[in-house]
Amino acid sequence: AQRVTQPEKLLSVFKGAPVELKCNYSYSGSPELFWYVQYSRQRLQLLLRHISRESIKGFTADLNKGETSFHLKKPFAQEEDSAMYYCALKKAGNMLTFGGGTRLMVKP
Amino acid sequence: ETGVTQSPTHLIKTRGQQVTLRCSSQSGHNTVSWYQQALGQGPQFIFQYYREEENGRGNFPPRFSGLQFPNYSSELNVNALELDDSALYLCASSSFSGSSYEQFFGPGTRLTVL
Repeated sequence: AQRVTQPEKLLSVFKGAPVELKCNYSYSGSPELFWYVQYSRQRLQLLLRHISRESIKGFTADLNKGETSFHLKKPFAQEEDSAMYYCALKKAGNMLTFGGGTRLMVKP
Repeated sequence: ETGVTQSPTHLIKTRGQQVTLRCSSQSGHNTVSWYQQALGQGPQFIFQYYREEENGRGNFPPRFSGLQFPNYSSELNVNALELDDSALYLCASSSFSGSSYEQFFGPGTRLTVL
């Protein structure tokens, strides 16, 4: 069965420090992974998807099939990055399995 | 273009009652998915509707049921409410495609079961 694990409930860093939000998955098929973000008092929204191989708001994520990981990284955190981040795995039929989420707090 | 809307915003019910939650999908989208998000957890997939038919279901009992209408809006019905059904219920719409896609989420309905 597919599963997404985000080992950290809370990650606190100072502004300008590097950030890495961890995501590990288990899935027997070919995975398609996403990062969703929820800013305070806003709805859940897509941040990036692995197949696009793009950088959004300075964030990148690389799919590592050997380690079954899809960690989200940013070299220099900004205060506006503070939010809840969810890693999600898409299976057949466009259904998403979400991890438990990591709250990122960027301190000034 | 309007985004995904959900009603009501908040709802309080008692154990054993039934509840109906509503979702209007984003313009141009033909697929609606429902998720349950308990406090401190990630969203859990309940089911998905595509062109008025259930297109997939998560690990939820049959007392969780749904409908999708010709205009692609959707309802989530929960019968015989239990205390553990207290959660934020999220609706997400998308355009069904074989390639990668994006789900657009609504603001959610907060259900409290007493």
